[in-house]
This record gives sequence, structure tokens and C-alpha cells, in this order.
Amino acid sequence: DQQVKQNSPSLSVQEGRISILNCDYTNSMFDYFLWYKKYPAEGPTFLISISSIKDKNEDGRFTVFLNKSAKHLSLHIVPSQPGDSAVYFCAARIQGAQKLVFGQGTRLTINP
Amino acid sequence: EAGVAQSPRYKIIEKRQSVAFWCNPISGHATLYWYQQILGQGPKLLIQFQNNGVVDDSQLPKDRFSAERLKGVDSTLKIQPAKLEDSAVYLCASSSRGAGGYNEQFFGPGTRLTVL
Repeated sequence: DQQVKQNSPSLSVQEGRISILNCDYTNSMFDYFLWYKKYPAEGPTFLISISSIKDKNEDGRFTVFLNKSAKHLSLHIVPSQPGDSAVYFCAARIQGAQKLVFGQGTRLTINP
Repeated sequence: EAGVAQSPRYKIIEKRQSVAFWCNPISGHATLYWYQQILGQGPKLLIQFQNNGVVDDSQLPKDRFSAERLKGVDSTLKIQPAKLEDSAVYLCASSSRGAGGYNEQFFGPGTRLTVL
């Protein structure tokens, strides 16, 4: 039962362009959505989050959009930099709990 | 501020052997999590502690996995006996106990387990 899905295992983007990573979910009880970034041999690090009562949250080059009717969220990175090359995980929190449910991850490669 | 510490970083064992992982969370963090990340998948929560009590262990295979959090600080996760499908990265995370909203989870570097 995959409640959070990232359907693109990998994405390749030119440096300076926009990177768009997508995530779909099925559980209407999720109240927070998060993006984590993971480099090899390191643990995931928190990147940006959005509450289910909002539809957009922006932090520097990173913007997360939430479309509740479509149960879809996306992460935009503008402009993309070589240091952004990593695996990105979408995660969701069930209302009333701290437990996170993660997607499978998308490997982003930024080409110079 | 020191991050979440885990040891060992790597472990190779044969099936049916036992193994234990250790985690030291960020000082003052009341909540501690153990996740299992199989290659090509996202982290899956195994167990969540609040201080030294278990909050959620619904996805912990209790016939072979056990975990404890001594005095509400350090934690150990044990597998006995290990199976081939236990090969994964085991991640420990911790978070503070806030009044509401989302309390960010900070992850350690993980322990990569290979079962032969």
C-alpha cells in the first residue's frame, strides 16, 4: 500500500534551468508534506515543508506547491545548481502523529 | 549542536546471525525513530519512541526485530536472526517535542547492513 508515490526514479536537468520533482499521495489524513534531500552515505536532510492548509511555500530557490484536489505536490528548484544533485524524497505526516510516510525517491542530476 | 550519531556505519553478517545497531539522538530530543531503507525505496518507519516509551511499532517485525531506548536517550535496534531481506540501511532520527505543527526530524548517517 504505497500511500506516497514518486513515479520518476530519476531526472536530469541542465544547470541554471528549473527542476520539477513530483509526488502523489492517496491518504486524505496527511496534514504536512515535506521534501528531504539525501546525498550518498548521509542521512536525509530536511529541505522544505508545506501544511495542508496552504498551496505554496517558498524558501529561496525552493518552492513547494500543493494541489489537494489532485492529491499532488511538487518541488521546484530555480535555478538548478550542481550541488542540488541528490536523491529527493517526498514525505507526508498523518494528522495527529509525528510519523512520516516516504515516497520512493527521485534521483536528480544537474548537468553543467 | 551535534547531530544524530549512529554506529557502526557498515556491517556484514551471514543469515541467521544476530546484529545490533546503536543510536545517540540530538541532546534534548524526546522522540526517536528507527527507519529501514531498502535499496530503491524510501525510508519505512520501524519504531517510534517518545522518551523511553513506544509510540508506534506497527511495522516492526517483532519475531526477529527488537528495540529499546535506555533512560530515554540512546537506543539500540537488534535483529535476531537476520534474513537476506534485512539487507538495508537502518536510519535513526530524532525530533523535539513541540507544542504543535511539525517537528523536524533530524537523521543520522545510517548503518548499511548486508546479510549474506
